[in-house]
Amino acid sequence: DGGITQSPKYLFRKEGQNVTLSCEQNLNHDAMYWYRQDPGQGLRLIYYSQIVNDFQKGDIAEGYSVSREKKESFPLTVTSAQKNPTAFYLCASSQGRQGLDTQYFGPGTRLTVL
Amino acid sequence: GQQVMQIPQYQHVQEGEDFTTYCNSSTTLSNIQWYKQRPGGHPVFLIQLVKSGEVKKQKRLTFQFGEAKKNSSLHITATQTTDVGTYFCAGPLGNDMRFGAGTRLTVKP
Repeated sequence: DGGITQSPKYLFRKEGQNVTLSCEQNLNHDAMYWYRQDPGQGLRLIYYSQIVNDFQKGDIAEGYSVSREKKESFPLTVTSAQKNPTAFYLCASSQGRQGLDTQYFGPGTRLTVL
Repeated sequence: GQQVMQIPQYQHVQEGEDFTTYCNSSTTLSNIQWYKQRPGGHPVFLIQLVKSGEVKKQKRLTFQFGEAKKNSSLHITATQTTDVGTYFCAGPLGNDMRFGAGTRLTVKP
């Protein structure tokens, strides 16, 4: 059963703590992305990766970090430097280069920082 | 900077009425994609338009790509309660895929 998974669905953390969100895909897609969505807002790109061991900053990368050690995995760490981390985080993947291929989204992780 | 603008932000209709959302880019797009996000869900790909002036239909949904490839529209005929959600357009600008802010559609039965 192919797809893209994110865990956990809901996450609560205390202010000042780093937290890592998981994103896994078994679609054999080269490209993976992280977006942030705030209530009533569109999607803002945090980071993207077009190939293993390489990734690029999006519009709002400050306070976030990623790694791409394996093709199927693209974890996102929300660091304590992120000033307003409470949001809905969406991971996506696409077959090839961003902009030309359909993006498949995971179910999302809703992060609340207390 | 380069942007993808989408209007309206919200649209509330009576079931059976039509609905249209519009997407405009500051620059020419190589393609435009449309996604639907149900309340509490994640965006799901609907369609991609590539050619200038292209029109595609999916049942009651009609998608258009402008002649200049800078604008697009999604029209839903005779809305149903299952159409509820937020509709996003997205287009490649520079090295990024830019999403519009979305149009949130609510349908009163």
